[in-house]
Amino acid sequence: DAKTTQPTSMDCAEGRAANLPCNHSTISGNEYVYWYRQIHSQGPQYIIHGLKNNETNEMASLIITEDRKSSTLILPHATLRDTAVYYCIVRDNYGQNFVFGPGTRLSVLP
Amino acid sequence: GAVVSQHPSRVICKSGTSVKIECRSLDFQATTMFWYRQFPKKSLMLMATSNEGSKATYEQGVEKDKFLINHASLTLSTLTVTSAHPEDSSFYICSASSQGAAGYTFGSGTRLTVV
Repeated sequence: DAKTTQPTSMDCAEGRAANLPCNHSTISGNEYVYWYRQIHSQGPQYIIHGLKNNETNEMASLIITEDRKSSTLILPHATLRDTAVYYCIVRDNYGQNFVFGPGTRLSVLP
Repeated sequence: GAVVSQHPSRVICKSGTSVKIECRSLDFQATTMFWYRQFPKKSLMLMATSNEGSKATYEQGVEKDKFLINHASLTLSTLTVTSAHPEDSSFYICSASSQGAAGYTFGSGTRLTVV
């Protein structure tokens, strides 16, 4: 079973920041938070991951709360091509597969 | 970066026939690959873990004789859907990990339609 809960869907205006929340209240100390997204009829695409500290790359920023029970993925300037299902997954580095929950369906609106 | 190639991207087959889907790691070696299945508007569900040189490990409820997995080399895993039926129509996705890479890389998926 997925260890995370996410809103089913969200809308965001093009050009604005998209903030996607994720709850992972049962996360253990050695588990990372991963974010993937899946654009329609494609395989999932890695976005970012983190353990404790906030992380930023060319795609997004990841903000993890101090107690690590929740996190937020931030797309700073959403475009129409960011419309996708976003999956938040917790996993340790020794785990095998990624367990996908339902994710959040983000719609970026013109 | 690490690239996983999946082929074919789409396939239509008749009921009762078998279909083979290939998953290749293009620029790295993958001792382990994973096969997922995804129904429309649903999330990915792990079917099996493919291990190079040994038998695949199947998730509960997945018929190993129905979904044959072969991982004969460090860069290729194949999934064969045998005696396909319309209910096998789905989106099949593979993934693999390269050493040192962040997370796993997923293939682009194969949409199987059984008519």
